[in-house]
Amino acid sequence: DAKTTQPNSMESNEEEPVHLPCNHSTISGTDYIHWYRQLPSQGPEYVIHGLTSNVNNRMASLAIAEDRKSSTLILHRATLRDAAVYYCSPQGGSARQLTFGSGTQLTVLP
Amino acid sequence: NAGVTQTPKFRVLKTGQSMTLLCAQDMNHEYMYWYRQDPGMGLRLIHYSVGEGTTAKGEVPDGYNVSRLKKQNFLLGLESAAPSQTSVYFCASSFDRGTEAFFGQGTRLTVV
Repeated sequence: DAKTTQPNSMESNEEEPVHLPCNHSTISGTDYIHWYRQLPSQGPEYVIHGLTSNVNNRMASLAIAEDRKSSTLILHRATLRDAAVYYCSPQGGSARQLTFGSGTQLTVLP
Repeated sequence: NAGVTQTPKFRVLKTGQSMTLLCAQDMNHEYMYWYRQDPGMGLRLIHYSVGEGTTAKGEVPDGYNVSRLKKQNFLLGLESAAPSQTSVYFCASSFDRGTEAFFGQGTRLTVV
């Protein structure tokens, strides 16, 4: 299974964009790149996923590098409710397991 | 639609006791997963299942057993609980690999 590397923590000011990076250099060609987030005292929730092309949904955008060895989750305007731990996880294709690394703790400052 | 439901939500066990955690999903998902999360840590995969009647080991399977006799249910068993198994346990399900996974609200287990 592909391993991921994310910064331990990041800070953002409220209403500013946030770019959360993830390195997954060992990803296989058919693995999707998933992002989940976990708010305090809650189970993880799905944010977005993609394969090769950049993806947008109501929560965020996902930018995938051309070589697929890294990706960036973009929150266009951070709110206090976006404060959470964000996990990137390759899955699909060869990876049947859904595993999580240590994630990035995002702090949003008012 | 209830989504993913975990039972119980809280439990205190004495060392050596056994118990079963139940995960139920009503979305007709093929894949189901059990995780544990220790304080301040990420989620670690215990066991998972890719369909009814199948199970597989994850990253930290020792001390746990699982069964998937019905497609909608995934049971996690602790045969002889140890204090090291004190944790929050999360269940998740997904239609297929590469699709969105839905998580339950967790079971907080304390082994004394």
